[in-house]
Amino acid sequence: DVKVTQSSRYLVKRTGEKVFLECVQDMDHENMFWYRQDPGLGLRLIYFSYDVKMKEKGDIPEGYSVSREKKERFSLILESASTNQTSMYLCASGGSPSTDTQYFGPGTRLTVL
Amino acid sequence: GNSVTQMEGPVTLSEEAFLTINCTYTATGYPSLFWYVQYPGEGLQLLLKATKADDKGSNKGFEATYRKETTSFHLEKGSVQVSDSAVYFCALRNRGGATNKLIFGTGTLLAVQP
Repeated sequence: DVKVTQSSRYLVKRTGEKVFLECVQDMDHENMFWYRQDPGLGLRLIYFSYDVKMKEKGDIPEGYSVSREKKERFSLILESASTNQTSMYLCASGGSPSTDTQYFGPGTRLTVL
Repeated sequence: GNSVTQMEGPVTLSEEAFLTINCTYTATGYPSLFWYVQYPGEGLQLLLKATKADDKGSNKGFEATYRKETTSFHLEKGSVQVSDSAVYFCALRNRGGATNKLIFGTGTLLAVQP
């Protein structure tokens, strides 16, 4: 069965902290994605990766960076967390030409105080 | 640019009522269209999709038809259940290229009451 897992379901951090959100997929997908979900705004793409060590900015990359050292793992990094980064973060994999569908993890609810 | 517009919620229905959630899109070329569903406390999961004009996607009693002439992909279900309560997202993907980025609508919350 398809599986995308995220390291935490809930996370509380303080302003200025460095935050790591991790995502692991077991489907051997080339593509992986990080979104944030906010009420009234839907899902917005932060970054995506189409191969190991490859990344591209999405629509709202400011304040974030990513790392993809292994095919199955895609990390989202908040270099210095701010209160406006309080949100739900969703990881997805798939969406290659041969895999039309994106598969989502359960999400991480991040609160920055 | 590419965009998806879906009806604002929340949509509140009684069990066994008919459901329609409207979705229209703007895209260059010929996109694939999707409906994703997010149940409370969970991530998104694909509900159905259609890849070309006049295709009908269906799953779990839900249906949506790809209408190129009206650039629409409305979600319908004949008789909703309490277990259908969730947030529904319409999305498109323009084909071509190595990656298939999805463009999402803002989501529509459906609440079904017994």
